[in-house]
Amino acid sequence: GENVEQHPSTLSVQEGDSAVIKCTYSDSASNYFPWYKQELGKRPQLIIDIRSNVGEKKDQRIAVTLNKTAKHFSLHITETQPEDSAVYFCAAESPNTGFQKLVFGTGTRLLVSP
Amino acid sequence: DTEVTQTPKHLVMGMTNKKSLKCEQHMGHRAMYWYKQKAKKPPELMFVYSYEKLSINESVPSRFSPECPNSSLLNLHLHALQPEDSALYLCASSQNNNEQFFGPGTRLTVL
Repeated sequence: GENVEQHPSTLSVQEGDSAVIKCTYSDSASNYFPWYKQELGKRPQLIIDIRSNVGEKKDQRIAVTLNKTAKHFSLHITETQPEDSAVYFCAAESPNTGFQKLVFGTGTRLLVSP
Repeated sequence: DTEVTQTPKHLVMGMTNKKSLKCEQHMGHRAMYWYKQKAKKPPELMFVYSYEKLSINESVPSRFSPECPNSSLLNLHLHALQPEDSALYLCASSQNNNEQFFGPGTRLTVL
């Protein structure tokens, strides 16, 4: 089955710096890669996602890149702010009909210092 | 309504108790999910219902029993749990294989 690895496990940056989180996946059939942000005590919330037919997607300060050949994808956050501090999970979807089966990475705790 | 709701928010139960977790969504989503999340770990898939039929059971012990009474509701019945089952239980829903929306979770403590 699918296996997703995520690095780093913790990341500390200064406000205004960029942050990059990387994930690799094992199943070449996976075709959907979401990123979730989870603040302490809150639910995971989707911040950006990418499907395998594109290589990059951007939404304001957040971007995701996908390299299907190497089976890795990355989250890029520019101009980080203290409110970006949270745990970020990448995930990969094993193809199914009618529902998603997501396999999550182990998470990255991002701390943005003022 | 673009939210998934879960009740209760917190639950403390003994190992001999029977309790139920409830999840509801009114977004017309036909796929609903139960996840278990331990502290500092990612969500771990337990069950998937698609069009009210159980599609995935990730080898979950029988002391956890899911139920999907209709397309908007998902229950998780708990019986004879162990202390190691203490965790945050998250419900989610999606329209087919699109974005999953998570509920706020039920924090379960088993004494």
